[in-house]
Amino acid sequence: DTGVSQDPRHKITKRGQNVTFRCDPISEHNRLYWYRQTLGQGPEFLTYFQNEAQLEKSRLLSDRFSAERPKGSFSTLEIQRTEQGDSAMYLCASRGGDRTGNEQFFGPGTRLTVL
Amino acid sequence: GEDVEQSLFLSVREGDSSVINCTYTDSSSTYLYWYKQEPGAGLQLLTYIFSNMDMKQDQRLTVLLNKKDKHLSLRIADTQTGDSAIYFCAESASSASKIIFGSGTRLSIRP
Repeated sequence: DTGVSQDPRHKITKRGQNVTFRCDPISEHNRLYWYRQTLGQGPEFLTYFQNEAQLEKSRLLSDRFSAERPKGSFSTLEIQRTEQGDSAMYLCASRGGDRTGNEQFFGPGTRLTVL
Repeated sequence: GEDVEQSLFLSVREGDSSVINCTYTDSSSTYLYWYKQEPGAGLQLLTYIFSNMDMKQDQRLTVLLNKKDKHLSLRIADTQTGDSAIYFCAESASSASKIIFGSGTRLSIRP
């Protein structure tokens, strides 16, 4: 396993379209996080899963955003009716259980551009 | 609320030490992190320190924590051109919690 992977790496869409991103965590990592990073800023937390349970959602996650992790492995993040303000890098991170250390491993991100 | 602040830019001469400073507001922060982000690359955890520690050293990196003032610093000794990147200070309440990041300090190295 080479780390957290995200697909696609880049997405260009028109305003009003729906987009879906996928994150594959490191194998057997039970915790999965989504962050958003806009230009010149640090990543901002969006949501967090432990196994298939979504345990926390940020106020940044409006009702146009939905995240799932149906089998406790990969996760998807969907944005409906995209707006130009949604343009950002969407980062996924995963972490193992308490015995495996404290590091959240980040994926390369999906860069979304909304025209 | 939770907030992490750091200066936006730092320029140092190659071979000198770089010191990047950060302040945070959440007194319940247990873990304090330094991440590195290079152009086109993902976030890389450089080091982290527990809130009950004052200092941590790892090769060229030294982290100092003043918990009373909620101040964290990262010192990079003998700065090299490969150290050019954006450095993010971050904190979390527990090892499993969300991480709160600062806006990042862009470190540039001049010859």
